[in-house]
Amino acid sequence: LAKTTQPISMDSYEGQEVNITCSHNNIATNDYITWYQQFPSQGPRFIIQGYKTKVTNEVASLFIPADRKSSTLSLPRVSLSDTAVYYCLVGDHSNTGKLIFGQGTTLQVKP
Amino acid sequence: NAGVTQTPKFRILKIGQSMTLQCAQDMNHNYMYWYRQDPGMGLKLIYYSVGAGITDKGEVPNGYNVSRSTTEDFPLRLELAAPSQTSVYFCASSSGGAHPTYEQYFGPGTRLTVT
Repeated sequence: LAKTTQPISMDSYEGQEVNITCSHNNIATNDYITWYQQFPSQGPRFIIQGYKTKVTNEVASLFIPADRKSSTLSLPRVSLSDTAVYYCLVGDHSNTGKLIFGQGTTLQVKP
Repeated sequence: NAGVTQTPKFRILKIGQSMTLQCAQDMNHNYMYWYRQDPGMGLKLIYYSVGAGITDKGEVPNGYNVSRSTTEDFPLRLELAAPSQTSVYFCASSSGGAHPTYEQYFGPGTRLTVT
């Protein structure tokens, strides 16, 4: 499974757009990119997943360049409740669904 | 649907004791997983199962055992508990299959302390 690198922490203010970038230089052809969110004392929650270009849902957008060696999770107009740890995961889930979590990015949203 | 449920929520064990962490899901998911999360760290995969009767090791299986006799249940057994097993344990499930969703549904976790 491809290794990912993302910033340890980020700060933002309410109402701002937040972009968290993840590097995955060794991504394989069959790999998908998935992002999870985790609040303190809770299990992670799926946010978004993509393979290439751009994916958008009601919560976030995911931008993936053509070479797929990185991806950017975009959270529009964050609020205090978006303070959480965000994990970027890369892997071929077709057989086992295995996910390998890194350390994640701790996002702190300030008023 | 209750989703993924875990029991107990909290447990304190003495060194050398054994226990079973229970996990159940009511979504008819084929795939189930056990993770541990140490303070300030990401989740580590302990064991996983792609269906009843099938289990396999993850990243950190030593000191643990699992079984999967039904689709719904995936208990995690700790034998001879050690302080290094102090952690929060999360169970998760996903639909799997020929074209599996990559969305895993997580339980609320079990906070285990070994002293």
